[in-house]
Amino acid sequence: AQKITQTQPGMFVQEKEAVTLDCTYDTSDPSYGLFWYKQPSSGEMIFLIYQGSYDQQNATEGRYSLNFQKARKSANLVISASQLGDSALYFCAMRERDRDDKIIFGKGTRLHILP
Amino acid sequence: GAGVSQSPSNKVTEKGKDVELRCDPISGHTALYWYRQSLGQGLEFLIYFQGNSAPDKSGLPSDRFSAERTGGSVSTLTIQRTQQEDSAVYLCASSFTGRSTDTQYFGPGTRLTVL
Repeated sequence: AQKITQTQPGMFVQEKEAVTLDCTYDTSDPSYGLFWYKQPSSGEMIFLIYQGSYDQQNATEGRYSLNFQKARKSANLVISASQLGDSALYFCAMRERDRDDKIIFGKGTRLHILP
Repeated sequence: GAGVSQSPSNKVTEKGKDVELRCDPISGHTALYWYRQSLGQGLEFLIYFQGNSAPDKSGLPSDRFSAERTGGSVSTLTIQRTQQEDSAVYLCASSFTGRSTDTQYFGPGTRLTVL
């Protein structure tokens, strides 16, 4: 079974609209971290936001917020007021305490922002 | 401060040749990771170094792949007798520790093309 599932291989969104990128995960470890990364066409991996499994509040970083629903094992990324520069490949990732030597990535969602 | 750097940024080689890829992590980061990203795919974990501990090599796809980390800092990933299926972007990341809550910061990657 996949540890990280991103069901949207591609999305098209109008500029200035909000967008939600889906991510579900699978773990039996009570302690884990969830991450979102952005990979623009230049290829670099840019860290966006982090959510710890014990965090009570949803993480926010500027226009990025993480809709963390622990019982549903869901960690969707919400981008408010999308911009053309948001067009990129977005990866959801997880690290588990009992396997904290590696981070597991989803297959990614390619987001296209339309002018 | 300086981020993770990798060299070369691009490498074209002939099938059967050996290649070395270099990673300079962020200063003070004890954990270093190598990943491989094939065209349009997510990231595949290769190897992990944490401090002076023996590396986790569980992700290396074959014995043609090896990596070392000298002095707890710079790392070199070596691929011997390269094959065309080795063509990919090789990404290096570092984090302050190896804990599951630590964010990994990525370098720009080395794009390897095996002809």
